[in-house]
Amino acid sequence: SQTIHQWPATLVQPVGSPLSLECTVEGTSNPNLYWYRQAAGRGLQLLFYSVGIGQISSEVPQNLSASRPQDRQFILSSKKLLLSDSGFYLCAWEKRPGQGIYEQYFGPGTRLTVT
Amino acid sequence: GDSVTQMEGPVTLSEEAFLTINCTYTATGYPSLFWYVQYPGEGLQLLLKATKADDKGSNKGFEATYRKETTSFHLEKGSVQVSDSAVYFCALSGGAIYNQGGKLIFGQGTELSVKP
Repeated sequence: SQTIHQWPATLVQPVGSPLSLECTVEGTSNPNLYWYRQAAGRGLQLLFYSVGIGQISSEVPQNLSASRPQDRQFILSSKKLLLSDSGFYLCAWEKRPGQGIYEQYFGPGTRLTVT
Repeated sequence: GDSVTQMEGPVTLSEEAFLTINCTYTATGYPSLFWYVQYPGEGLQLLLKATKADDKGSNKGFEATYRKETTSFHLEKGSVQVSDSAVYFCALSGGAIYNQGGKLIFGQGTELSVKP
């Protein structure tokens, strides 16, 4: 069966510091991968998605970047954090049970607080 | 663009009450529709889905029917339990019109609190 891991689970970082969040998927190959952010009391915003190694698409201009160095590894980074980067970051992988049908499965999330 | 609108919460119910959480959508093409549930401090779990008009998704006593004529996908449960307390998200996926996958568009979420 497939599993998705994220770490760290929680992170407190000062403004201006760098960021690296990691997501890994087990039990599947060549998945589409996604990064979402959930601000407090709000819905989810898609940040990045990737259809393969080294292929990254950005949905929203921002202070963050993403990379996919291996098939089942997806990394979210920042060189200098802003207060507005605080939130709950969720990684998801995509399952395709049928033609034109897509299901996304989420990791446990990383809660980031920028102080 | 595509969008999802959910009823605002929080919704507070007594145990064994009937639950309805409204969800309507705007989309081009033929989206798939989903309900996800988020328990406190956790990630999202896929609760149920429907991939075409008139499909009914069901899981753990929850149901939702894909109504193309009213562009709705309301979540229902006949008898809620305290353990159902969570935030529920309605979402759509562009499916066939997104040739690189099903980018999910989420509603704002509806918080459900069930009291004993």
